[in-house]
Amino acid sequence: AQSVAQPEDQVNVAEGNPLTVKCTYSVSGNPYLFWYVQYPNRGLQFLLKYITGDNLVKGSYGFEAEFNKSQTSFHLKKPSALVSDSALYFCACCTTSGTYKYIFGTGTRLKVLA
Amino acid sequence: NAGVTQTPKFQVLKTGQSMTLQCAQDMNHNSMYWYRQDPGMGLRLIYYSASEGTTDKGEVPNGYNVSRLNKREFSLRLESAAPSQTSVYFCASSDPDPDEQYFGPGTRLTVT
Repeated sequence: AQSVAQPEDQVNVAEGNPLTVKCTYSVSGNPYLFWYVQYPNRGLQFLLKYITGDNLVKGSYGFEAEFNKSQTSFHLKKPSALVSDSALYFCACCTTSGTYKYIFGTGTRLKVLA
Repeated sequence: NAGVTQTPKFQVLKTGQSMTLQCAQDMNHNSMYWYRQDPGMGLRLIYYSASEGTTDKGEVPNGYNVSRLNKREFSLRLESAAPSQTSVYFCASSDPDPDEQYFGPGTRLTVT
């Protein structure tokens, strides 16, 4: 079965330190990969995507992600975390060969400590 | 541009009652989606519509029906609400497909 896994329910990082939020996927065919962020009582907002091309993708608010086909991973990174980055982050995958189009991970809560 | 709008924002239903959640987008997108968000489970797709006049089941369609009224509007109906349908419901749209999705602010539904 196709799936997206976010192995960490919560990630804590000190302000100014680099952050990584992990995502792995298991889908058939070539995946399209996305990261979204959700602030309290809001809908999801798009951060970045990998469709094809360079494995390192840059997105909004200084975030980037690296597509690693051999490890089937798409980890979200930021060189220097801000307190305002504290939110819920979702990895999502899409493939046109699936029964449905988008599969979301269970989410990782990022807490940046001042 | 309002983007994706949803009504209502909050709703409390008794078991067995029915209601319709409304969603509209003003971005001229072909694809629209309904998700539910439950703690620890991420977002799960209920139904989607790839274009006006078409709808398809997602991962958790039981207990729900949808209508793609026109290109802008995609409604979700609960015919006989159950406590298991207590959740936050999000509508989203995208175009082209597959591509990033634009989400509405959500409807928080409680079924007692």
